[in-house]
Amino acid sequence: AQSVTQLGSHVSVSEGALVLLRCNYSSSVPPYLFWYVQYPNQGLQLLLKYTSAATLVKGINGFEAEFKKSETSFHLTKPSAHMSDAAEYFCAVSDGQGAQKLVFGQGTRLTINP
Amino acid sequence: DGGITQSPKYLFRKEGQNVTLSCEQNLNHDAMYWYRQDPGQGLRLIYYSQIVNDFQKGDIAEGYSVSREKKESFPLTVTSAQKNPTAFYLCASSTRRQVGTGELFFGEGSRLTVL
Repeated sequence: AQSVTQLGSHVSVSEGALVLLRCNYSSSVPPYLFWYVQYPNQGLQLLLKYTSAATLVKGINGFEAEFKKSETSFHLTKPSAHMSDAAEYFCAVSDGQGAQKLVFGQGTRLTINP
Repeated sequence: DGGITQSPKYLFRKEGQNVTLSCEQNLNHDAMYWYRQDPGQGLRLIYYSQIVNDFQKGDIAEGYSVSREKKESFPLTVTSAQKNPTAFYLCASSTRRQVGTGELFFGEGSRLTVL
């Protein structure tokens, strides 16, 4: 069964600093991987996804993630944090296009300091 | 506009009472999902349905029940058998093709508090 582990339940960075949110996956088949963002008291929205094409994936709001098979990782980065990036971020995995469900990580809450 | 509507947004329940959370979508999606969100535990799948009149248990189905009588609707009942029902509940939908590629569309959630 697939699973994802997000390292760090809380991450705090200064405005303008690099954002790095970590995600490692476990899957017996080539995975599809995703990052979702959740703003307070709202649902989730898809930030970006890896579906076996380019290993460096660009998403909305300046975020990107790199799929590294050798490290079983799919870390999310943004070069320069903005106050509006404060939210909770979830990594998720599926076992491919025929999957019936996604499996989510525990989430990482990102705080931006002025 | 198309989307997913969850109601109520906030709900309070006394212990021992059943409560039903509504989820309606007008996206013409076949697949619908209920997730439970607790701090530090991420999203855990309760039930999902790929087609009308059919649904499957997720990872934490005990104490919950669902129905899928219409394509647009997937209500979740939290029964008195659920020992710790206070949580944030999220409904999502997708086309069956899109599930594997991660394109779930979420409602804004329902926060249930047991008094």
